[in-house]
Amino acid sequence: DGGITQSPKYLFRKEGQNVTLSCEQNLNHDAMYWYRQDPGQGLRLIYYSQIVNDFQKGDIAEGYSVSREKKESFPLTVTSAQKNPTAFYLCASTGQGGLKPQHFGDGTRLSIL
Amino acid sequence: QKEVEQNSGPLSVPEGAIASLNCTYSDRVSQSFFWYRQYSGKSPELIMSIYSNGDKEDGRFTAQLNKASQYVSLLIRDSQPSDSATYLCAVGLNTGGFKTIFGAGTRLFVKA
Repeated sequence: DGGITQSPKYLFRKEGQNVTLSCEQNLNHDAMYWYRQDPGQGLRLIYYSQIVNDFQKGDIAEGYSVSREKKESFPLTVTSAQKNPTAFYLCASTGQGGLKPQHFGDGTRLSIL
Repeated sequence: QKEVEQNSGPLSVPEGAIASLNCTYSDRVSQSFFWYRQYSGKSPELIMSIYSNGDKEDGRFTAQLNKASQYVSLLIRDSQPSDSATYLCAVGLNTGGFKTIFGAGTRLFVKA
């Protein structure tokens, strides 16, 4: 079955630590996205990538970094500079054509130890 | 002004009733419109896409789009308790790169 796989499902970060969230898709989608969702809030765009080796900042990129070395993979690093990382992180992808709907992974819930 | 606005709710309807969810958007160049359902603690799940003015029906769901009024709605007929969730309205637009803007969502409770 094609889909988007996010791992881990739960992640705990210690003070001053960088952590990396994995996102892999086998849908052959060109565009991939990372969102952050806080309780009772909508989705806020962190980074997006429309092609391999290229990505753009979203609305809340500070304290985060990404890479897009392969079409299938778009990992997100939450750096120690992100002072309030506790949230639900969602990875999404969409096929060529841009205005098609995004499909989501199951999410990673990040908490501070 | 928020780009995509929804009433946060909660919207409470009895089982079997029609639930009506509304959404307005601010950017006139918006080109695609989506409704997602999100159960508590889960990721959003696409339930409807609509691209042109008018109604689009899929089973118990009907999406309605009025671009002149910058308004999109979702009707759920014969509401079931399993429809209780948060419904996210999303708008796609090309701003030099394709982006989707999400509303904060409307919480729906269907009472048995």
